[in-house]
Amino acid sequence: GDSVTQMEGPVTLSEEAFLTINCTYTATGYPSLFWYVQYPGEGLQLLLKATKADDKGSNKGFEATYRKETTSFHLEKGSVQVSDSAVYFCALSNRGSSGSARQLTFGSGTQLTVLP
Amino acid sequence: GAVVSQHPSRVICKSGTSVKIECRSLDFQATTMFWYRQFPKQSLMLMATSNEGSKATYEQGVEKDKFLINHASLTLSTLTVTSAHPEDSSFYICSARDSPNTEAFFGQGTRLTVV
Repeated sequence: GDSVTQMEGPVTLSEEAFLTINCTYTATGYPSLFWYVQYPGEGLQLLLKATKADDKGSNKGFEATYRKETTSFHLEKGSVQVSDSAVYFCALSNRGSSGSARQLTFGSGTQLTVLP
Repeated sequence: GAVVSQHPSRVICKSGTSVKIECRSLDFQATTMFWYRQFPKQSLMLMATSNEGSKATYEQGVEKDKFLINHASLTLSTLTVTSAHPEDSSFYICSARDSPNTEAFFGQGTRLTVV
């Protein structure tokens, strides 16, 4: 079945450091890929997504590129802020034969702490 | 984005009792709701999918008599953990969407501790 392997945390960085959180996936067909973020005490929020190979999703300074050849969707940010401290989840969704979206398959999550 | 409210955020209960967790879509009609369980440092595992007005579809290995799901209206789904045991202690998260091809929005999760 489908699976997502995500870089284990926790990750601790200083403010303005460069961030990379690795994510690789195994899936049949052509999944859509997502990054979700969970701030303390809150639900998961969609951070960015990419629906086909070579697409780049971006939001709030975060970027991830859908790499089919390496089955990867690594999350990057050039300069992190204290407010970026959260748990980040990589996920995929495969479209069914009818074209409808299936449920999400999540990675284990990576805790990011940014120190001032 | 749309808002999904989950209640309670934390609950502690005694072994053998039942606990109900509510998931509400506040500003859209949720034709489909999903219930996930998350163990520490592990992925969110899908437990079941519920469509309004019909029985929930449970994932393999999830006991339907243990985890009762009701989706009686377009804005509310409930998960009842029956005869809870310490091994049921976990983080439970719901999500909801209004159609198959739209984004699903997540509740804030419920931390269940069974003592």
